[in-house]
Amino acid sequence: DTAVSQTPKYLVTQMGNDKSIKCEQNLGHDTMYWYKQDSKKFLKIMFSYNNKELIINETVPNRFSPKSPDKAHLNLHINSLELGDSAVYFCASSQPADEQFFGPGTRLTVL
Amino acid sequence: GNSVTQMEGPVTLSEEAFLTINCTYTATGYPSLFWYVQYPGEGLQLLLKATKADDKGSNKGFEATYRKETTSFHLEKGSVQVSDSAVYFCALRSGAGSYQLTFGKGTKLSVIP
Repeated sequence: DTAVSQTPKYLVTQMGNDKSIKCEQNLGHDTMYWYKQDSKKFLKIMFSYNNKELIINETVPNRFSPKSPDKAHLNLHINSLELGDSAVYFCASSQPADEQFFGPGTRLTVL
Repeated sequence: GNSVTQMEGPVTLSEEAFLTINCTYTATGYPSLFWYVQYPGEGLQLLLKATKADDKGSNKGFEATYRKETTSFHLEKGSVQVSDSAVYFCALRSGAGSYQLTFGKGTKLSVIP
């Protein structure tokens, strides 16, 4: 069974479109995260939710909006996509302040 | 603020060579330290961790010792294999109860037969 899953794995879209990436974890964790990895492999936290409550909200454009319908899901919605949004987006989960488990990533390409 | 500095890659080694990837950090308080590994096309996996000074984390032949006096957490392996080819990330979490991981920029390792 996949612990942290993301869909889709690849996403190719045009500038200006709106897209969503879904994340689900079956580990029973309370905390979920979104990270962005750029072309140089640099990894940066974007958001974190604990028990459906936003606890980390780094400086990202407000075009990015996370939504946590329940503890097992954390989705990322992106409005008005720009070229600079092209990256690999990773979801992760953990128990509070414990080891983080990462999903396989979603490679977003904005044309 | 917190920061992690790793040696620049890429690093290319022959099979069975000795590996060191340097990592130093800046943090307030008493951080926990981690090494994550990212194999091609996959997400990150925890490789090892240390939660207090002088702790040694080890896994799959890799080791790293938490050195508070030098603020370092260097990753070592005595004999690398082709299957160790991946990107390695050093990370820290500052203090108990902190959720946020701060990552280094990653070091790509290629091991050739």
